[in-house]
This record gives sequence, structure tokens and C-alpha cells, in this order.
Amino acid sequence: DIVMTQSPDSLAVSLGERATINCKSSQSVLYSSNNKNYLAWYQQKPGQPPKLLIYWASTRASGVPDRFSGSGSGTDFTLIISSLQAEDVAVYYCQQYYSTPAFGQGTKVEIK
Amino acid sequence: QVQLVESGGGVVQPGRSLRLSCAASEFTFSNYGMHWVRQAPGKGLEWVAVISFDGRSEYYADSVKGRFTISRDNSKNTLYLQMNSLSAEDTAVYYCAKDASLIDVSWYFDLWGRGTLVTVSS
Repeated sequence: DIVMTQSPDSLAVSLGERATINCKSSQSVLYSSNNKNYLAWYQQKPGQPPKLLIYWASTRASGVPDRFSGSGSGTDFTLIISSLQAEDVAVYYCQQYYSTPAFGQGTKVEIK
Repeated sequence: QVQLVESGGGVVQPGRSLRLSCAASEFTFSNYGMHWVRQAPGKGLEWVAVISFDGRSEYYADSVKGRFTISRDNSKNTLYLQMNSLSAEDTAVYYCAKDASLIDVSWYFDLWGRGTLVTVSS
């Protein structure tokens, strides 16, 4: 099974500053036949279900603000919030879908 | 609007059974694979099960295999999860989630319900 590990577990960022979340998979999630990374990011605000932010490692889901961006390939991935807004306070999860779906443990983003 | 609404959660004793439902609206339910994902209180997300668009294929997490059964009724736009032999480790909010791909299963989720809480306790 592929294990997903996120870092840090939590971070506090000032409004308007950049937030960076890392996600590492225990094996590559890059499928060579189509050169796609089977990696998604979700945002979960308190008391709400998760919401899809990014898929294929870097494609923003419909309606997601462009301050959210995803990058990386193989085993190492990053979610960046370029200018943190108050409404971005949430827990963020990465998920691989290369094999049986598995999520990272989550990263809690707060306002400093 | 496009939504998923779960129901059927509650408090159940260890070893007993419970059936969850998920009603879909405002999208062509029969065209999409559907999943159950759970979240223990204060914990992260765990994928539970998936069923293909036509109900012919099912896959389960090892933690629930042999105890849980996913099914669907496309005529009623409803997804189900039959949970048997429940234990305290099954206590969680159970979300139904729509697969992102038309017909095929992509294994990531572009629409989630608000969840239903299952508490296994004596």
C-alpha cells in the first residue's frame, strides 16, 4: 500500500503571506504511460466535508481560486496558497489515486 | 443543486449492523462510480469502498472487507453501505463521494456529502 506523509502537521501564516504544504508518497504515483501524477488535494473547513482543490497534481478544480497551486512529480508534491486569506483556514489533505486511495494525515493551516 | 445527502447514522452496539444511504440529486447518478469515505472523530480521511456506475464492480478497504457491502439503486439515485459486525474502530463520520470521472472510476472525488455520524458503543 502507498503511504502518504504530509509536512508540516500544522502551520500558522500571516494574512497575505504564502503557505506551503508538502506531501510525500512512499512510492511513485506517476503513471509512465500517460505521464500523469495520480495526486489530488482537498480542503476541509471546520464542520464541513472535504472539497476538491487540485487533481493530477496541478490542475485546479472548477471554481478554485488561482492562489491555490499544486506542483511536484513522482513522490514529492507541494500545495501552495500564494496569499493566505481568512477563508483558507482549514485542514488540507493530499490523496493518491494511483492505487487504492490513500490520504495524508492532513495539515492544519491557521492565521498567525 | 448538485448534492449528496447521507442518512442512516446513529448509535449502534458492537457486533450489530447498520445501513447508510446517500441520496444524489441534480446530476446523472447512473453515470458515475460512487465511494464511501470515513473520518473518525478528530482524525484523517479513510477510503472505505467504491462501486462502479452500473453496480457490477465493488472494491473495499482491507479494514472493512467481508463486513461492509456497498450497493446502489440507479432508479432511486441512491447509494448504500451495509455495515455488519461493527466495532468501536468503525466509529466515524461516513461521507459518500462522487467519483470525478464519467463512467470510468478515477478514484478521486469531486463532490462530497455532509456525512452521517456512526457511533459504535455499548
